[in-house]
Amino acid sequence: GAGVSQSPSNKVTEKGKDVELRCDPISGHTALYWYRQSLGQGLEFLIYFQGNSAPDKSGLPSDRFSAERTGGSVSTLTIQRTQQEDSAVYLCASSSSGTSTDTQYFGPGTRLTVL
Amino acid sequence: GNSVTQMEGPVTLSEEAFLTINCTYTATGYPSLFWYVQYPGEGLQLLLKATKADDKGSNKGFEATYRKETTSFHLEKGSVQVSDSAVYFCALNKGGSEKLVFGKGTKLTVNP
Repeated sequence: GAGVSQSPSNKVTEKGKDVELRCDPISGHTALYWYRQSLGQGLEFLIYFQGNSAPDKSGLPSDRFSAERTGGSVSTLTIQRTQQEDSAVYLCASSSSGTSTDTQYFGPGTRLTVL
Repeated sequence: GNSVTQMEGPVTLSEEAFLTINCTYTATGYPSLFWYVQYPGEGLQLLLKATKADDKGSNKGFEATYRKETTSFHLEKGSVQVSDSAVYFCALNKGGSEKLVFGKGTKLTVNP
């Protein structure tokens, strides 16, 4: 079946602009995660959704970052007033039920470059 | 807090060599442990996992055993191939927060 998809695959923006990143999880997966991957920081957790609720948003680096999930499916990560340090690959993952033993399946990522 | 430490790379081997990538973790209780792999130009994919002590995960000739006494989950392969060239990430999921905590990754290059 279809895997996790993300769009756009690449995004170049100017400092101060807002960006929206989209994630389509595997159909039927109730848990959805956002991570980001950068050279300096490695792979960092951002936020976790169970259904449409976000019980753990502890990894969001500042209040410029927000995310929502609608219909228990698609999620959007929004970064307002982008800064150069936001440049990274943003990864979305989903799992069937969100327990610690579940496999998280990752999308191909969105590469964000802030000029 | 929970953390994962894996050997720093890069690691360069010749084809058919034996591979070990060390991974140790810090966590309370009993986390699940994972190895993910990222091939050049591709996304992260699960290589193997183990969810309780003494479990052995295996896939594509790779193996790792969950050792609670040494808090380790070392990745091994008896004979690597050029196609195994990739970045390997060790990770844990403690539960409660359900997030993966990753090590910094180890880049493996296998030469013919």
